[in-house]
Amino acid sequence: DTEVTQTPKHLVMGMTNKKSLKCEQHMGHRAMYWYKQKAKKPPELMFVYSYEKLSINESVPSRFSPECPNSSLLNLHLHALQPEDSALYLCASSQDRSNQPQHFGDGTRLSIL
Amino acid sequence: QQPVQSPQAVILREGEDAVINCSSSKALYSVHWYRQKHGEAPVFLMILLKGGEQKGHEKISASFNEKKQQSSLYLTASQLSYSGTYFCGTSDGSGGSNYKLTFGKGTLLTVNP
Repeated sequence: DTEVTQTPKHLVMGMTNKKSLKCEQHMGHRAMYWYKQKAKKPPELMFVYSYEKLSINESVPSRFSPECPNSSLLNLHLHALQPEDSALYLCASSQDRSNQPQHFGDGTRLSIL
Repeated sequence: QQPVQSPQAVILREGEDAVINCSSSKALYSVHWYRQKHGEAPVFLMILLKGGEQKGHEKISASFNEKKQQSSLYLTASQLSYSGTYFCGTSDGSGGSNYKLTFGKGTLLTVNP
């Protein structure tokens, strides 16, 4: 069991659908991350929130929209995704700065039809 | 810039030792090491900060040579549970990149009985 909880675990959606991925942590961490991971590849950073503000956007297409409603929650809103967006989406959190461990959730496996 | 990991894969018998290397063409602020088992979340192993330090975690230790921009992960007396893909993640720690980790392509470690 991980201390970062992601829901749903699996998601299948069509290219015209709108869905959201959710991530929750109760460790009091102030930095939260979204990563995308393709099979047999490393995690690729998408977004970083620091103290509930968007700190880094790695030039992610606008069909991915992050949201941080409070310090414990992180959402990723999905709209009009493409088949190449099929991947494992990992959420992570850390206390604050880069010299702190990142704790990963188990991820949401997303398939775009 | 993505760090370079070597080797890409290594197969061990239980009890044998292994070294995984991670190098960067840029000056590094910190190096993180994670292990990911198939179908699971990456798990934090250790962080090394600039200063040439070496850290240990049971039979797994690591070093960081800031001048050479390299880190090495040492696994001694390997156990079956060590199997998985090992990723190094690097940060240059500059300004807004404080939180940004760039992961190497990973090293697949297989420990056989």
